[in-house]
Amino acid sequence: AQSVTQLGSHVSVSEGALVLLRCNYSSSVPPYLFWYVQYPNQGLQLLLKYTSAATLVKGINGFEAEFKKSETSFHLTKPSAHMSDAAEYFCAVSPGFTGGGNKLTFGTGTQLKVEL
Amino acid sequence: NAGVMQNPRHLVRRRGQEARLRCSPMKGHSHVYWYRQLPEEGLKFMVYLQKENIIDESGMPKERFSAEFPKEGPSILRIQQVVRGDSAAYFCASSPPSTSEQFFGPGTRLTVL
Repeated sequence: AQSVTQLGSHVSVSEGALVLLRCNYSSSVPPYLFWYVQYPNQGLQLLLKYTSAATLVKGINGFEAEFKKSETSFHLTKPSAHMSDAAEYFCAVSPGFTGGGNKLTFGTGTQLKVEL
Repeated sequence: NAGVMQNPRHLVRRRGQEARLRCSPMKGHSHVYWYRQLPEEGLKFMVYLQKENIIDESGMPKERFSAEFPKEGPSILRIQQVVRGDSAAYFCASSPPSTSEQFFGPGTRLTVL
């Protein structure tokens, strides 16, 4: 079984400040990990993914995340927040692609607010 | 290459009616996943299909819900005799074979009156 915990359902940062969104996972098999962003009334867009290669993963829009197996974490960061980053962010885990599919287990999401 | 298409984008049904949600995967994608997002919650997996086959339906409610992905045409998620608790956003995602990345559609927002 797999699960994801996102600490902080709402995070507020100032424009230009560091963004840190936390994600911890539980998995009985080596996981694949993902961060998605959702803008209001839209679908999910993939920001980045970890699939057992480099532990520091760079994604779109200046985001990156580091896989730490010892801490079972996959926190999302961005050095400098922009107003356009305001959205909801979801961390997700999957067991890696298998013949049985690659279903994602999502966290409950973190709403990021960026203030002037 | 068009993205994943879902229609309708918004659907209103009265209790007891049927809801049909359609998903057209990206070209070349033979795998379809359906997820449900209840208000203030994350997405929950419902079902995984390949062409003409249901591979994993472990997240589907036991009654009233069904899904198909025929050889020709879109994938359909069908909800019979809808109840207010079915009000949610339903997302479809598609992927090509042997890849971990899923591409999401814009979702169908179902409201049950």
